[in-house]
Amino acid sequence: EPEVTQTPSHQVTQMGQEVILRCVPISNHLYFYWYRQILGQKVEFLVSFYNNEISEKSEIFDDQFSVERPDGSNFTLKIRSTKLEDSAMYFCASRGTAAWSQYFGPGTRLLVL
Amino acid sequence: GQQLNQSPQSMFIQEGEDVSMNCTSSSIFNTWLWYKQDPGEGPVLLIALYKAGELTSNGRLTAQFGITRKDSFLNISASIPSDVGIYFCAGSSTDSWGKLQFGAGTQVVVTP
Repeated sequence: EPEVTQTPSHQVTQMGQEVILRCVPISNHLYFYWYRQILGQKVEFLVSFYNNEISEKSEIFDDQFSVERPDGSNFTLKIRSTKLEDSAMYFCASRGTAAWSQYFGPGTRLLVL
Repeated sequence: GQQLNQSPQSMFIQEGEDVSMNCTSSSIFNTWLWYKQDPGEGPVLLIALYKAGELTSNGRLTAQFGITRKDSFLNISASIPSDVGIYFCAGSSTDSWGKLQFGAGTQVVVTP
């Protein structure tokens, strides 16, 4: 069964450093999403992406964040200068055009020191 | 902003018992999704609901999309130890690109 994959599974970085989180959505899906989950809290929407552009973003997704689909399979989230409060699980999700169901990847646990 | 409340926060039940949890929203959703999350993993889609009044089953799971489009419930019948985990409701509205708003989750603990 097709699934969303994410790399790395864990990343530790120093405050101020740039990180790139990678996702491979399900192959025939066209809508892509990033969410984050701070430890013990609910999942929060960050950004949605369709047709090579951002379609919607939350207040969390400020100028330090960017997304890109560099090729036909990868979807990346970049945090330009990480802050301590960026420590969280980051989930990528994708959906097709026929239904609104979103399928999530296993997540990347980001720890900013 | 839109408020989404999920209850109960946690449930401790014995194996074989039924479990029920629900979510209510301050505004209308056009989609309700129910997910299960195990520790350190991503949410796994259990059931998707797209129409008001829709009742959908997936094995021992049953979920309904409320008539008002502002609520949904999930039932688990005859619980087993592997039902342990956190269950999240999530909804999206027609004025978004599918952005999901999540509930705070219901932690289910099943004892033998």
